[in-house]
Amino acid sequence: KQEVTQIPAALSVPEGENLVLNCSFTDSAIYNLQWFRQDPGKGLTSLLLIQSSQREQTSGRLNASLDKSSGRSTLYIAASQPGDSATYLCAVADSWGKLQFGAGTQVVVTP
Amino acid sequence: SAVISQKPSRDICQRGTSLTIQCQVDSQVTMMFWYRQQPGQSLTLIATANQGSEATYESGFVIDKFPISRPNLTFSTLTVSNMSPEDSSIYLCSVVGGRDPFPGETQYFGPGTRLLVL
Repeated sequence: KQEVTQIPAALSVPEGENLVLNCSFTDSAIYNLQWFRQDPGKGLTSLLLIQSSQREQTSGRLNASLDKSSGRSTLYIAASQPGDSATYLCAVADSWGKLQFGAGTQVVVTP
Repeated sequence: SAVISQKPSRDICQRGTSLTIQCQVDSQVTMMFWYRQQPGQSLTLIATANQGSEATYESGFVIDKFPISRPNLTFSTLTVSNMSPEDSSIYLCSVVGGRDPFPGETQYFGPGTRLLVL
């Protein structure tokens, strides 16, 4: 059974610092990996999707890497801003599109 | 992309009653999913609701408790039946891509329905 783990569970950084969020999964037979952002009282916003054949994906200040063989992904957020404060979730998809989520990393960026 | 709306956005219900949650998508999609997020927890898949077939449920979820309808390519409902306080959660629907998606496409989520059962 696939298990997804996110470390750390919570993270607080001053504005301007880079954020590094880690995600690991136990079964490397994934179809893709997605990073989401969840704001309090709101739904999920997709940030990046990495196909199983890819090693990296970038969007603006966000960069996500994927090492499928070792079961790891890392989300980097450069030059953090207070607006980046949210819970970040990683999820792996199987061939049916079903997502298995990690517990999330709660990020606070202080001005 | 897909824009998803859910109704109601939140509700407070009495034990033993049922609530039907609606999910509306702004485009035709084949693959639709229902997730639950219990307080302080991450998301757990309840079932897959693809149009034209019966919903398929994940381990720990049964049709009698969570009946699902998928009458067309833009709409679905999830009913939480005979509710207990343990059903207090956020319920979210999600869709993959468009009408002919492949699982590698981005999954989009609705805003969620916050349910509190007293």
